[in-house]
Amino acid sequence: NAGVTQTPKFRILKIGQSMTLQCTQDMNHNYMYWYRQDPGMGLKLIYYSVGAGITDKGEVPNGYNVSRSTTEDFPLRLELAAPSQTSVYFCASSYSQVIRDFGPGTRLTVT
Amino acid sequence: DAKTTQPPSMDCAEGRAANLPCNHSTISGNEYVYWYRQIHSQGPQYIIHGLKNNETNEMASLIITEDRKSSTLILPHATLRDTAVYYCIVTSSGTATDSWGKLQFGAGTQVVVTP
Repeated sequence: NAGVTQTPKFRILKIGQSMTLQCTQDMNHNYMYWYRQDPGMGLKLIYYSVGAGITDKGEVPNGYNVSRSTTEDFPLRLELAAPSQTSVYFCASSYSQVIRDFGPGTRLTVT
Repeated sequence: DAKTTQPPSMDCAEGRAANLPCNHSTISGNEYVYWYRQIHSQGPQYIIHGLKNNETNEMASLIITEDRKSSTLILPHATLRDTAVYYCIVTSSGTATDSWGKLQFGAGTQVVVTP
C-alpha cells in the first residue's frame, strides 16, 4: 500500500490565484481529513469526510472547499489564495476513530 | 473535547526512558487519550491511545491515572530518532461516526534526545 499520498509537495501561489491540493489513499478508508499547520503551531482541522459524497466543515474551513466523489480521493480547493493560507497542509484517512495514516504534507506559500 | 496541558519542551538522554506528562483535568467519561508525534516537517505519526486502562504497544506505554485527569507517555529506551514534537489529545469517541478523527492538536512537547 502507498498509504496516503499528497501532491504537490511544494507550491508557491500569488495572491488571488487558485489551486487544488490532491490527496489519495489506497486503504479503502471511509474517513478522510484535511488539516493545516502554521509555523510552530499544532494542526487544525479544515474539512473532513465520512464517505463518498459526504463532507463537513472542521475548525477552520473559510477560504477552502472540498469534494469527495470517490472513496480514494479527497481534494482540497483554495479559491483566491491569501497570505494567511501560507501553511503546511496534511491529509489523513482512517477506517475507525483512530487516525493512523497521515500524508507527507504539502507546503504552500502565498505571496 | 477536554483541553490538555503539556510542558513545551523536555530533554532526554539516549537509551533512557522518556516520560512525557499530560494534564487533562476536564476529561469526561467517554473521552480517549491519544498520543501522536511529529518529526520535523513530516506528517504526524500515531503512537498509542487509551480510555482508562494502561496500554502498551511496540512504540510506547501509556499510563492513565485512576481519576483520568492526567497521563504519561513512556518511551522505554529513547533513541535519537525519537526527537520530535509529541501531542497529547483528548477527544470523544462519539456515538456518531461523524465525530471520529476530529483531533484538536495543541502545541505539544518538543522532545530532544541527546547522545
